[in-house]
Amino acid sequence: QQKVQQSPESLSVPEGGMASFNCTSSDRNFQYFWWYRQHSGEGPKALMSIFSDGDKKEGRFTAHLNKASLHVSLHIRDSQPSDSALYFCAARAQTGFASALTFGSGTKVIVLP
Amino acid sequence: EAAVTQSPRNKVTVTGGNVTLSCRQTNSHNYMYWYRQDTGHGLRLIHYSYGAGNLQIGDVPDGYKATRTTQEDFFLLLELASPSQTSLYFCASSGGQGNSGNTLYFGEGSRLIVV
Repeated sequence: QQKVQQSPESLSVPEGGMASFNCTSSDRNFQYFWWYRQHSGEGPKALMSIFSDGDKKEGRFTAHLNKASLHVSLHIRDSQPSDSALYFCAARAQTGFASALTFGSGTKVIVLP
Repeated sequence: EAAVTQSPRNKVTVTGGNVTLSCRQTNSHNYMYWYRQDTGHGLRLIHYSYGAGNLQIGDVPDGYKATRTTQEDFFLLLELASPSQTSLYFCASSGGQGNSGNTLYFGEGSRLIVV
């Protein structure tokens, strides 16, 4: 079983709509989460990180973390065609020094014009 | 933004062949990583390093060797390539200091096909 699981595998959203998708860790050591975005033909790029319970907003993107359930979600408001991409959730266990990130299998988002 | 350059971008080799994937980062990052990306599996960590001469084993290391020759350069070696190693390979680097230092900067990827 993958330690970081994402759902759904893919979703479609109309332009201007809200896209929402989820990530859950099965490893209670994973306490620190990132969202990465990958456009076709490119490498993944970091979108945002979230380490504390609650919401974190950056522009049209809002991440929500529930540490008790190790569940994190990402919401994209006013979705644009440029938001069409593969979104990865990533997590790691320890703070204070770098340990490698564990990634989920990704959610493919398609924004329909 | 951190610059990570991979070569070759595309490679076709035969089963049993030798392949070396190269990665160079130019932002003085301490940490470098090799991941492979496969549909349904996301990104899986092969090897990583926190400095020249250092090597750490990742989650899917079998069939791969890696070497970090300098702070800038990290190589992934497939000495007896198999079709199961057909994949998209990404190199990444990070500063490694504190939580924000763990943001990974990825290269553009190297697509390997083993026939």
